[in-house]
Order: sequence, then structure tokens, then C-alpha cells
Amino acid sequence: LAKTTQPISMDSYEGQEVNITCSHNNIATNDYITWYQQFPSQGPRFIIQGYKTKVTNEVASLFIPADRKSSTLSLPRVSLSDTAVYYCLVGDIRGGSYIPTFGRGTSLIVHP
Amino acid sequence: GAVVSQHPSRVICKSGTSVKIECRSLDFQATTMFWYRQFPKQSLMLMATSNEGSKATYEQGVEKDKFLINHASLTLSTLTVTSAHPEDSSFYICSASSRGGSSYNEQFFGPGTRLTVL
Repeated sequence: LAKTTQPISMDSYEGQEVNITCSHNNIATNDYITWYQQFPSQGPRFIIQGYKTKVTNEVASLFIPADRKSSTLSLPRVSLSDTAVYYCLVGDIRGGSYIPTFGRGTSLIVHP
Repeated sequence: GAVVSQHPSRVICKSGTSVKIECRSLDFQATTMFWYRQFPKQSLMLMATSNEGSKATYEQGVEKDKFLINHASLTLSTLTVTSAHPEDSSFYICSASSRGGSSYNEQFFGPGTRLTVL
């Protein structure tokens, strides 16, 4: 079963870079790693997705080592509005269908 | 693009009544929709996966007769909580994907529906 492990919480300050690592030892060979951000009482919002090496978009970078057993979400220069829960998502293939599995998430608090 | 809506955003009902939640993909065709439940301070728990035109696949421990899912078109899925009880009070979130069972499966999430059963 695909399972993810993340730190439960992290604290940072405005302007700093934040790196959140997720371990997914049993990731399937063809599975992608996706990160989401969630604010209270809202649906998750897509941040970034990758398969291997490094992916960068306008809001974050995602680093995935060669063995793909972990991934690190990097948020450059966080602001107060980045205070949220961050989830990494991998999946299982069951009966030919993709079954997404969310971990417990990391609660990031950004301080002034 | 890739917008998913849910309706209603919030519902309060009496115990024993049924509640229907709609999930719509507004600008793309969703071959697969997922329904999640999230309790306070907890992660999202997948309840079921629904593919357009076929029966939903429920996760272990989720009663299919209590949580009725219909995915009648490529843009609409509904979740009906039948005979709701206070323990069904939760935040229900749907997501939609145009890629179905592919491993490259970006999900687009709805804003969620807060259900409170009195």
C-alpha cells in the first residue's frame, strides 16, 4: 500500500525558504508525486507534481531523488499567507484504477 | 481552467434526513471523480471513486447504501448522505480528473461542503 510520511508541523518566518520532505517508500514505478495546499474549510489546491529529478513552477520546486522514495517541496520566501496544511499525494493501482492516498499533511505556520 | 464546484457549500439538517451534494467540473470532462471526507484536524479520507456511467467503488468501511454516489455525466457527480446522523457531520470534498486511471492523475478539488447534522 502506498503510504506517505511527513512532519506533522513546521514553523518558519516570512521571507525564509521552507522545505517539506515526504517519504513514500512504496511508491509505484509509474506513479507521480503531487503536492497540495489546504486552507481551513477549503478544498486542497494543486501546487506541483513530478515524477523524478526536479520540477519548478511559479510557486514552488519539487525535488525527487533517483530512488523516488521521498520528495521535498521547496517554498521560496514564504509569506504569512503560506500558512496552511501541505499534503503530498501518491497512489495505489487497484483493479486497474488509480486510488489516491493522502498522508496526514504538514501544518506550516509562518510567523511575522 | 480546471474548475470544480460543489453545491451546497454548507448544509445543516435534522437527523434522519437525506442530503445531496453536487460536484461539477465546469470547464473539462471528468472521467473520474473522487469523494473524500475530512474530520477536523485530520487528513482527507477517500470514500469512493466514481467513473462516469459505472457504479462507484467504495473504500473499505464506507457504507455504499448510506453514501449513494451517482456519476451520470462527464461533468456531474452527486453524493447523497441517506438518513444522516450527527456522526456524519463532516467536511465533504470532491475532486475530478480527466485522466481516469492514468498514473499521471492530477485532481482538481472542489471547495468542499460542510455538513452538520443536528
